Amino acid sequence: EDKVVQSPLSLVVHEGDTVTLNCSYEVTNFRSLLWYKQEKKAPTFLFMLTSSGIEKKSGRLSSILDKKELFSILNITATQTGDSAIYLCAVEGNTGNQFYFGTGTSLTVIP
Amino acid sequence: DGGITQSPKYLFRKEGQNVTLSCEQNLNHDAMYWYRQDPGQGLRLIYYSQIVNDFQKGDIAEGYSVSREKKESFPLTVTSAQKNPTAFYLCASSIGQGAAGANVLTFGAGSRLTVL
Repeated sequence: EDKVVQSPLSLVVHEGDTVTLNCSYEVTNFRSLLWYKQEKKAPTFLFMLTSSGIEKKSGRLSSILDKKELFSILNITATQTGDSAIYLCAVEGNTGNQFYFGTGTSLTVIP
Repeated sequence: DGGITQSPKYLFRKEGQNVTLSCEQNLNHDAMYWYRQDPGQGLRLIYYSQIVNDFQKGDIAEGYSVSREKKESFPLTVTSAQKNPTAFYLCASSIGQGAAGANVLTFGAGSRLTVL
């Protein structure tokens, strides 16, 4: 059965901390892994990863994929209160155009 | 501006009533999806459509129905057969696996359905 598992389920940190969010997967015929940020409305796209070992970076956020060990991490450095959100990991398989989602990690950044 | 429009944002329904949630996109995407989001359960796929006049059941299709008569539109009907319909519903679209370019999901703002 295809599945995506995210950890931790929730996290509370202080502003300025660095956090690492994890996503492991077992998906038949992997095509890509995507990270989204959701703040009480539409999830917004962060990164798409298709190749192992190549870091994607956007400001304080970065992500990397390991296709051998079947996981990805999302790093956020110097966290701010605006980073508080649910972070979703999704994996696209090659069967029927489906995306498989994890349960998400709820991040709360306190001042 | 290209995007996905979902309506209504909030909807209340009495038990036994069918309701239809609207989803319209002007991104020229072939593929469209409906997800249900409950606390602690992530996004679960209800139905998806890869092309006009074709759609497939997702993991939790029971009690739901869809149609795809136009490329831009993918309405979801929550029927009275759905035992626990109170949830947040998200519509999404993507270019589709057969197209050139990154197959990334773009989401609407969601519809929150409450059954009274």
